[in-house]
Amino acid sequence: DTAVSQTPKYLVTQMGNDKSIKCEQNLGHDTMYWYKQDSKKFLKIMFSYNNKELIINETVPNRFSPKSPDKAHLNLHINSLELGDSAVYFCASRPGRLYEQFFGPGTRLTVL
Amino acid sequence: GQQVMQIPQYQHVQEGEDFTTYCNSSTTLSNIQWYKQRPGGHPVFLIQLVKSGEVKKQKRLTFQFGEAKKNSSLHITATQTTDVGTYFCAGDNAGNMLTFGGGTRLMVKP
Repeated sequence: DTAVSQTPKYLVTQMGNDKSIKCEQNLGHDTMYWYKQDSKKFLKIMFSYNNKELIINETVPNRFSPKSPDKAHLNLHINSLELGDSAVYFCASRPGRLYEQFFGPGTRLTVL
Repeated sequence: GQQVMQIPQYQHVQEGEDFTTYCNSSTTLSNIQWYKQRPGGHPVFLIQLVKSGEVKKQKRLTFQFGEAKKNSSLHITATQTTDVGTYFCAGDNAGNMLTFGGGTRLMVKP
């Protein structure tokens, strides 16, 4: 069984479109995250969601909005996609503070 | 805010040579974690260091946590082609989020 899963694996879309990426974890973890990894491999934290508490990285544009229907899911919705949004987006989860993180396989987003 | 710097950014080695990557935090950490990301893959947890001056080994990999809990290193002895990937350190200050270093991309020539 996959611990942290993401869909879709690849997403190719036009500028200006709205898209969503889904993430599910079956580990029973309390905390979930979204990361953006650019072409230089920098892993930038975007959001942290812990027991309905959302922590936002201030540098993330408000076109990005996380949605958590329950503890096992954290989806990422992106409005008005821009070229600079092209990257690999990773979902991750962990049981709580001071524990390791488990990453999903990633979603490669390409904005044309 | 907390910053975690990692050097070098890239390292090419001949198979059999040793490799070291260094990580420095701008603040004292509760712990530090190391992850490995294979090309085309996702980051995978390797180890966590908690105590000041801690040293841990995993086969050919040796991890150290500095006395001041602000720096760390990963040393690989006698690299193999299977070691190829990007190695990330991540600082944990007991908040909700890890702060990742920029990563060191290791390339091994057979």
